[in-house]
Amino acid sequence: NAGVTQTPKFQVLKTGQSMTLQCAQDMNHNSMYWYRQDPGMGLRLIYYSASEGTTDKGEVPNGYNVSRLNKREFSLRLESAAPSQTSVYFCASSGSGNNEKLFFGSGTQLSVL
Amino acid sequence: AQSVTQPDIHITVSEGASLELRCNYSYGATPYLFWYVQSPGQGLQLLLKYFSGDTLVQGIKGFEAEFKRSQSSFNLRKPSVHWSDAAEYFCAVGIPSGFQKLVFGTGTRLLVSP
Repeated sequence: NAGVTQTPKFQVLKTGQSMTLQCAQDMNHNSMYWYRQDPGMGLRLIYYSASEGTTDKGEVPNGYNVSRLNKREFSLRLESAAPSQTSVYFCASSGSGNNEKLFFGSGTQLSVL
Repeated sequence: AQSVTQPDIHITVSEGASLELRCNYSYGATPYLFWYVQSPGQGLQLLLKYFSGDTLVQGIKGFEAEFKRSQSSFNLRKPSVHWSDAAEYFCAVGIPSGFQKLVFGTGTRLLVSP
């Protein structure tokens, strides 16, 4: 009953460091997403992958890269972390179609000092 | 582009009282509308969704929402709030795109008083 699994749960970086957030789903979903959540701003879409082998920019892609490694896994990379990237990051997945609900992971709390 | 407004940042309701959380959207056609709930330290969970048909939608945990096209609204209601309903609630709008690409509102934090 894993659903969407994100690692790590917490991370502290120094400005300029790089890191990769990992996400895996076991529901055979085609679509996967990365959101960031900031106080007073709700969730904003960073990148998404409509299906295996494709990725597209969302609302706030600058400073991030993604890889859809296979159908299960969708990683988010910060090449050179900045304090503005301090946030809670959520991975989500869904089946194909407009009426599919999103399943969310439990989030990664990232602080960039 | 679509957008969502949740005008209330915080709402406090007494346990057992009724609840209404407001959501207004902007989109040129009939949107797909969702309410998600987030408990502290958790990801979001879908409460209910509207695509078409009956404008009054029933969801989990006793929640319902009504789509009003004339007011561009999709307000969430519950007749009697329980302490466990304390959480943050997000309204979201999606567009037909072959997959689920949503725009979320800024959220309303619900506090439940004894």
